[in-house]
Amino acid sequence: AQKVTQAQTEISVVEKEDVTLDCVYETRDTTYYLFWYKQPPSGELVFLIRRNSFDEQNEISGRYSWNFQKSTSSFNFTITASQVVDSAVYFCALSEGSGGSYIPTFGRGTSLIVHP
Amino acid sequence: DAMVIQNPRYQVTQFGKPVTLSCSQTLNHNVMYWYQQKSSQAPKLLFHYYDKDFNNEADTPDNFQSRRPNTSFCFLDIRSPGLGDAAMYLCATSRGSAGGLRNEQFFGPGTRLTVL
Repeated sequence: AQKVTQAQTEISVVEKEDVTLDCVYETRDTTYYLFWYKQPPSGELVFLIRRNSFDEQNEISGRYSWNFQKSTSSFNFTITASQVVDSAVYFCALSEGSGGSYIPTFGRGTSLIVHP
Repeated sequence: DAMVIQNPRYQVTQFGKPVTLSCSQTLNHNVMYWYQQKSSQAPKLLFHYYDKDFNNEADTPDNFQSRRPNTSFCFLDIRSPGLGDAAMYLCATSRGSAGGLRNEQFFGPGTRLTVL
């Protein structure tokens, strides 16, 4: 069975602060995929990144960066110099690869509030 | 732009009065999903189609049905809405792959259902 834990329910920061959103996952599969989605107040979930279990290279995209650590089963997301527009709920999700369900399991989400 | 469209964005119905929510996509993805999302919770998968194959989640109430007449369209029918069915309903698509690759989901803007 697959499981995703986002222990932080809500994080509040002031603009320009860096913030890290934690994601810890559980799976018995050796092949799996991890995702992050952003859900702004408008409601539409927006895909941010996909990472497969064989690629532990960290990724940076502008102010966003992701740290994938198989040793600790974590896939954390860092926003550098946060902005008000980053205020949203962020979901981490896991899909198992071959032999497992391809249906993603979502974490409960972390609500990020960035104050001006 | 290729996208996932949901209509209507807001739907008000009366207790027990059937309602249909629609979703269309221009991405030509073979997998379509329906999620229910209540306030401050993760999206909960109701069912999905892999091509024409319908897959119902074990805990999806019988009150919820779905139809997928073609690749582009998918409908969610709620036969007798109860107060507990008030929620945001999200449609999503993804490119399914038999080879084990797990692709990201693309979400529509959602339909917010109110039950009076």
